[in-house]
Amino acid sequence: GESVGLHLPTLSVQEGDNSIINCAYSNSASDYFIWYKQESGKGPQFIIDIRSNMDKRQGQRVTVLLNKTVKHLSLQIAATQPGDSAVYFCAENEGQAGTALIFGKGTTLSVSS
Amino acid sequence: ETGVTQSPTHLIKTRGQQVTLRCSSQSGHNTVSWYQQALGQGPQFIFQYYREEENGRGNFPPRFSGLQFPNYSSELNVNALELDDSALYLCASSLDAGGINQPQHFGDGTRLSIL
Repeated sequence: GESVGLHLPTLSVQEGDNSIINCAYSNSASDYFIWYKQESGKGPQFIIDIRSNMDKRQGQRVTVLLNKTVKHLSLQIAATQPGDSAVYFCAENEGQAGTALIFGKGTTLSVSS
Repeated sequence: ETGVTQSPTHLIKTRGQQVTLRCSSQSGHNTVSWYQQALGQGPQFIFQYYREEENGRGNFPPRFSGLQFPNYSSELNVNALELDDSALYLCASSLDAGGINQPQHFGDGTRLSIL
């Protein structure tokens, strides 16, 4: 389950700021993690993934950090834009490769200009 | 590259009825997973299909069933609909790469309302 104090259901930032969204995962055996962005009326959109043999991975304006010791995942968004406003979910792969994704509680990111 | 498409986009049913939802996987993908997303919650795994067989199932009753076809498209069937079945049903496709995790890509879902 979620670790109290790590997960914020909402995050409000100003355009141009950097955003950090946190997630605690539940299963120490999970070996694959994904961040999704979900806009209103849409399905989750893949942002970035990371495997358990890594602790950091960078994409375009996004960075994912994985701390297996405390079972914590974070998504950093650089120079946040109004178009980044959405609900963000972390998901862990539990069990054999390619089966169920277990989703965390979402964080609603609001970006004001 | 064609993404995941789902039909219909919206559906209204009454308790006790049956429903079939459809999903076309992204081109090049051979695995389809179905999720239920209640309002304000994260998606919950229903089941996954690979090579036309169920390849994992979440905590959903047997009245939730599925199919996968040779072209990798899939159906989700729900019998004896209950009010709590009202939700967004999401389909995700991925490529099974011999035990190496690959990202699941989602469609925009079917919004099912039970009256």
